[in-house]
Amino acid sequence: QSALSQPRSVSGSSGQSVTISCTGTTSDVGAYNYVSWYQQHPGKVPRLMIYDVNKRPSGVPDRFSGSKSGNTASLSISGLQTEDEAEYYCCSYVGRYIWVFGGGTKLTVL
Amino acid sequence: EVQLVQSGAEVKKPGESLKISCKGSGYTFADYYIAWVRQMPGKGLEWMGVIRPGDSDTRYSPSFQGQVTISADKSLSTAYLQWTSTKASDTAIYYCARTADNALGIWGQGTLVAVSS
Repeated sequence: QSALSQPRSVSGSSGQSVTISCTGTTSDVGAYNYVSWYQQHPGKVPRLMIYDVNKRPSGVPDRFSGSKSGNTASLSISGLQTEDEAEYYCCSYVGRYIWVFGGGTKLTVL
Repeated sequence: EVQLVQSGAEVKKPGESLKISCKGSGYTFADYYIAWVRQMPGKGLEWMGVIRPGDSDTRYSPSFQGQVTISADKSLSTAYLQWTSTKASDTAIYYCARTADNALGIWGQGTLVAVSS
């Protein structure tokens, strides 16, 4: 399985919105509604932000939302805050209890 | 509190064997898959494989099949990741994480593995 494709970096001003894309294939993102997103600050443990494409775990602000269209999933963050600056990874189920991550996107809050 | 606690940092020479651990607490360990994730220095997350401690059903990403062995001892609520012969390219942080709702919701703190001559 190849890694899912994410932009290397995105940026947005404080208070604005950004969207991070995650492009896969008909064998992963397009085949299952099991896309999750993780936030990782430098030197820290990854944190689950979105699961099953668009569900938020308890404690995750509703500024974070997920969606999917065809082979591309997206993570949207509204009302950007400085603490949102981090690396974001998407992850998709590919069948037979195997998953694959995206390459990661560095979000910069200007 | 549900948590995963991993074993401490390891420094190995190339060719040495290694086994790191991940102990779960606060839930029925046998009921949830445990995944292992690699993060090489300055790089992204890579899904390595997963085990269901209840019956030791194990699946590997093709990239890691044959390179590592994932195991578990449900009586100890502990999962393991092991190498028979480490290489410099195994230098990384290794995370274990509990799967639920098709995602990795609970993560261990990570184990740093350094392999150098």
